[in-house]
Amino acid sequence: QVQLQESGPGLVKPSETLSLTCAVSGCSISSGYYWGWIRQPPGKGLEWIGSIYHSGTTYYNPSLKSRVTISVDTSKNHFSVKLSSVTAADTAVYYCARDPYGGTWGHFDYWGQGTLVTVSS
Amino acid sequence: QSALTQPPSVSGSPGQSVTISCTGTSSDVGSYNRVSWYQQPPGTAPKLVIYEVSYRPSGVPDRFSGSKSGNTASLTISGLQAEDEGDYYCSSYTSSTTVVFGGGTKLTVL
Repeated sequence: QVQLQESGPGLVKPSETLSLTCAVSGCSISSGYYWGWIRQPPGKGLEWIGSIYHSGTTYYNPSLKSRVTISVDTSKNHFSVKLSSVTAADTAVYYCARDPYGGTWGHFDYWGQGTLVTVSS
Repeated sequence: QSALTQPPSVSGSPGQSVTISCTGTSSDVGSYNRVSWYQQPPGTAPKLVIYEVSYRPSGVPDRFSGSKSGNTASLTISGLQAEDEGDYYCSSYTSSTTVVFGGGTKLTVL
């Protein structure tokens, strides 16, 4: 049973860096899948943040690319996202998910439960 | 990149069929069979119900079907049930090697 679990601070101050980790169980993060981050502002739709392969190949949403870094730690079987210079507009539920194909096919078959990150002073 | 266009809401009575559209451009939906659909009941994570335009993951009822014509993809739910209520999102691969989602459609079962 593949499971993903997001973790990280639920409150981040404006202008600081948001950091989240996604722990993967039931599947090796090196087993040929891509791993993605998606967010959803309260009451709004889904937004793809980016995806990573275990080799380190990354794809980012152009609108966030200047502020986002996604990394993978194969030894811990987890991957992470950092979003810098956050504002209130970055307040959202952040999901991690598995992509069994090319990283940008938008085909996410397993999702974490999501974690709410609020940007506020 | 602009979000794919979905109707804000659709509704239907139990047993009926509903179709949700997802309109993109020749740079995404129109050029690639990499369209997925997600169901999101309130307060839960999205669940994949259709991938590559028309394929159903294991465990998804065959009441869910997908299709595409030109720049528009569609999700049809037949034999509507109360448990089908929730938000539905489409997604697509783009020619810029990115993923774009639709704005979401709220399905109400009357």
